[in-house]
Amino acid sequence: QSALTQPASVSGSPGQSITISCTGTSSDVGGYNYVSWYQQHPGKAPKLMIYEVSNRPSGVSNRFSGSKSGNTASLTISGLQAEDEADYYCNSYTNNNSYVFGGGTEVIVL
Amino acid sequence: QVQLVQSGAEVKKPGASVKVSCKASGYTFTSNYLHWVRQTPGQGLEWMGVINCSGGSTSYAQKFQGRVTMTRDTSTSTVYMELSSLRSEDTAVYYCARGASESDYWGQGTLVTVSS
Repeated sequence: QSALTQPASVSGSPGQSITISCTGTSSDVGGYNYVSWYQQHPGKAPKLMIYEVSNRPSGVSNRFSGSKSGNTASLTISGLQAEDEADYYCNSYTNNNSYVFGGGTEVIVL
Repeated sequence: QVQLVQSGAEVKKPGASVKVSCKASGYTFTSNYLHWVRQTPGQGLEWMGVINCSGGSTSYAQKFQGRVTMTRDTSTSTVYMELSSLRSEDTAVYYCARGASESDYWGQGTLVTVSS
């Protein structure tokens, strides 16, 4: 199972909106609504930000939103803040009864 | 509160095996799944497999088939991940994470170093 494709880095200024893409195939992202997104700060465990494509866990800011079109899922961060600077990973269920992560995207707040 | 507490760091020689534990508390152990995810130094997250804490059934990533074994002990609410035939490329932080299709709680991570 190949890793999902994410851009290596995305940058934006405070207050701006950015979008991170996560491209898979019809065997994973396109075939199931089990796409989740994780935020990871250096030296820390990942934190769940979005599950089932567009649902936000309790306690996660509504500045984070998720969507999907075809084989590509997206995470949008609006009103970018310094604390959002971190690595972000998408994850999807696959038709092999397994899961696969994206390669990760570094978000840089300018 | 939900907690996943993992065992401590390990140093192993190539060819050896390692067994990492993940003790769960704060929720009904058998009502959930536990995933194992690893992260090699400076790299991304890699899904290794998942165990159903109720029945014990497992699903492993193809890459680790034949080398990884996940088990659980319901009496102590603990899940184990054993990786065999270790090589230097297995040097990584190994995480356990609770959830079905998404993981809402993660352990603190266990560093496994493979070195001769």
